[in-house]
Amino acid sequence: GEDVEQSLFLSVREGDSSVINCTYTDSSSTYLYWYKQEPGAGLQLLTYIFSNMDMKQDQRLTVLLNKKDKHLSLRIADTQTGDSAIYFCAETLPTGKLIFGQGTTLQVKP
Amino acid sequence: NAGVTQTPKFRVLKTGQSMTLLCAQDMNHEYMYWYRQDPGMGLRLIHYSVGEGTTAKGEVPDGYNVSRLKKQNFLLGLESAAPSQTSVYFCASSLQTGADTGELFFGEGSRLTVL
Repeated sequence: GEDVEQSLFLSVREGDSSVINCTYTDSSSTYLYWYKQEPGAGLQLLTYIFSNMDMKQDQRLTVLLNKKDKHLSLRIADTQTGDSAIYFCAETLPTGKLIFGQGTTLQVKP
Repeated sequence: NAGVTQTPKFRVLKTGQSMTLLCAQDMNHEYMYWYRQDPGMGLRLIHYSVGEGTTAKGEVPDGYNVSRLKKQNFLLGLESAAPSQTSVYFCASSLQTGADTGELFFGEGSRLTVL
C-alpha cells in the first residue's frame, strides 16, 4: 500500500537541532520531499532527495534517507523561531502520484 | 510573479448550495491538482489534471467535480455542499511529474465553511 507517516508535533528550543521523521511504505518511490507550510500559506518545497541518495545537505538542512527501513528524516541545525511551521514529508511514485504525510508541527520556543 | 492563484480565499456556504473554486497558474505547467487539508490528515488529493481537457480522480473525489478547459485554469466545483466539505482547499501545479523533480507549486489556499 501507499502510506506516509509522520509524528504530529515537535517542540524545540531556539538554537537546538530539530529532527523530523517520516516513514513510507512504497519502496518504488523516485523522489522524496520535505515541504514547509507557514501559517495561512500554501506549501513550499524545502528540499528533496532522489531515491538513490543516502544524504543531502543544504545549509542548515540535512536530509537522511534509509531505504532499507523506509525512513526519511529532516534535521534543522540551529533552529530559529522563523522555522516554526508545519513540515510535510512526501514521496513521488513512478506513476507520478504524490503522497503526503499528515504533517509535523514544529514549535520553536525562544 | 503570480505563480498559482486561487479565488476566492474565503467562503461560507449553507448546506446544499453550490460553488466553484478557481485556480489559475501562469507557469505553463501541464499538471494541476486540487487537495484538501484537514487537521491531522495532511493533504488529500481530490482530483487532478495531466493536461488541458483532461481530469482524473484522486483519493477523495466524491462530491466534487473539476474542469480544465484551458491549460492555465483548473476549476473545482461543489454541486451540493455538505458540512463534511468544510476544509482548506489547495490548488497546485507542476511542470510534469516524472520528467523532473516533480516539485509542486501551491496556491495560498481557500478556506471553505459549510454550515
